[in-house]
Amino acid sequence: GNSVTQMEGPVTLSEEAFLTINCTYTATGYPSLFWYVQYPGEGLQLLLKATKADDKGSNKGFEATYRKETTSFHLEKGSVQVSDSAVYFCALSVENQGGKLIFGQGTELSVKP
Amino acid sequence: GAVVSQHPSWVICKSGTSVKIECRSLDFQATTMFWYRQFPKQSLMLMATSNEGSKATYEQGVEKDKFLINHASLTLSTLTVTSAHPEDSSFYICSARVPGQGGYGYTFGSGTRLTVV
Repeated sequence: GNSVTQMEGPVTLSEEAFLTINCTYTATGYPSLFWYVQYPGEGLQLLLKATKADDKGSNKGFEATYRKETTSFHLEKGSVQVSDSAVYFCALSVENQGGKLIFGQGTELSVKP
Repeated sequence: GAVVSQHPSWVICKSGTSVKIECRSLDFQATTMFWYRQFPKQSLMLMATSNEGSKATYEQGVEKDKFLINHASLTLSTLTVTSAHPEDSSFYICSARVPGQGGYGYTFGSGTRLTVV
């Protein structure tokens, strides 16, 4: 079946530190990959996505590259801010399997000033 | 664009009563909607997929008679938690596929915090 595994949190960083949140996946088929962010008490917002191997998604200083050979989609940011504190979810969908999103367990990020 | 409005944002109900959660697509037609459940500090668990005009497809382990999903129009899907019990307390989120973006566009409601007392 399809699944997503993320590194466990919480992750605590100082402002301007480098961020990496690891994400690996298993999929039957050719998935699209996503990162979503959830701020406290809110729904999910799309952060970035990639639809084919070697694609790089980027937004708001965050980046992730679709690595088919390692089945990974790690999230990175060069310099985090306090406002980046949130829970980050890696997800995949496979079009010919109903297009439903399958989420990882989420990684909580806390950035201290 | 592509906004899904979810109501209510929070609800408290007594054990044994039913609660209805609505998700409306405001500026597009949502052929397919997904309903998720999220426990505190945990991931989103897909409960079911609803398609306009047909029966919902439930994920394994989700009680169909307890979580009634209706998708009677292209702009409205509802989730009714029947005979709610404290263990049904959770955060429920709907999501819709956004047309015109192939299989890659999804938009989420802001979620409903259900507390059963």
